[in-house]
Amino acid sequence: AQSVSQHNHHVILSEAASLELGCNYSYGGTVNLFWYVQYPGQHLQLLLKYFSGDPLVKGIKGFEAEFIKSKFSFNLRKPSVQWSDTAEYFCAVTLSGGYQKVTFGTGTKLQVIP
Amino acid sequence: GAVVSQHPSWVICKSGTSVKIECRSLDFQATTMFWYRQFPKQSLMLMATSNEGSKATYEQGVEKDKFLINHASLTLSTLTVTSAHPEDSSFYICSAPSPTNTEAFFGQGTRLTVV
Repeated sequence: AQSVSQHNHHVILSEAASLELGCNYSYGGTVNLFWYVQYPGQHLQLLLKYFSGDPLVKGIKGFEAEFIKSKFSFNLRKPSVQWSDTAEYFCAVTLSGGYQKVTFGTGTKLQVIP
Repeated sequence: GAVVSQHPSWVICKSGTSVKIECRSLDFQATTMFWYRQFPKQSLMLMATSNEGSKATYEQGVEKDKFLINHASLTLSTLTVTSAHPEDSSFYICSAPSPTNTEAFFGQGTRLTVV
């Protein structure tokens, strides 16, 4: 079965700092990769996704992620965070070939200090 | 865009009682919905797959008699936690695949506290 690990449980940054959240997955086959964000009191929202093609994917709100197949990684980045980026971020994977069960990482809480 | 609505957002109940959580797809039909549970500092774990018109499929280790799932229509799935105990206190969240089956839409989650 596939698994997803996120290295940072809690990250605190000042506004304008750069962000990188690590995500590694374990599965030998082809996967679809996602980053979701949950703002306080709100739904999980899709930030970005990778199915195939260009391994550098751009999402909403200035976020991007790079799929490095050799490292089984899909790290999330943003060059300059804002206070409004304070949220919990989840990396997730599904098996390619059809949308089925989503396997999530443990999540990373990001706190941006003004 | 497509929205999944989950109700209630939070509930407190006494041990031994049952609690029903609803998950609705508001502007699309979903023959399949998923139920997840998240314990503190842990990942969202899939509990079961809800199938419209047929029995739910439960993940290993999830008690089907305790977590009753009913998917009575193409827009509604319900999860009933029966005879709740404090260890059932958790964050429950549902999702439904998009009509194009390329992503999932999530409800806002339900925080259940059993006292």
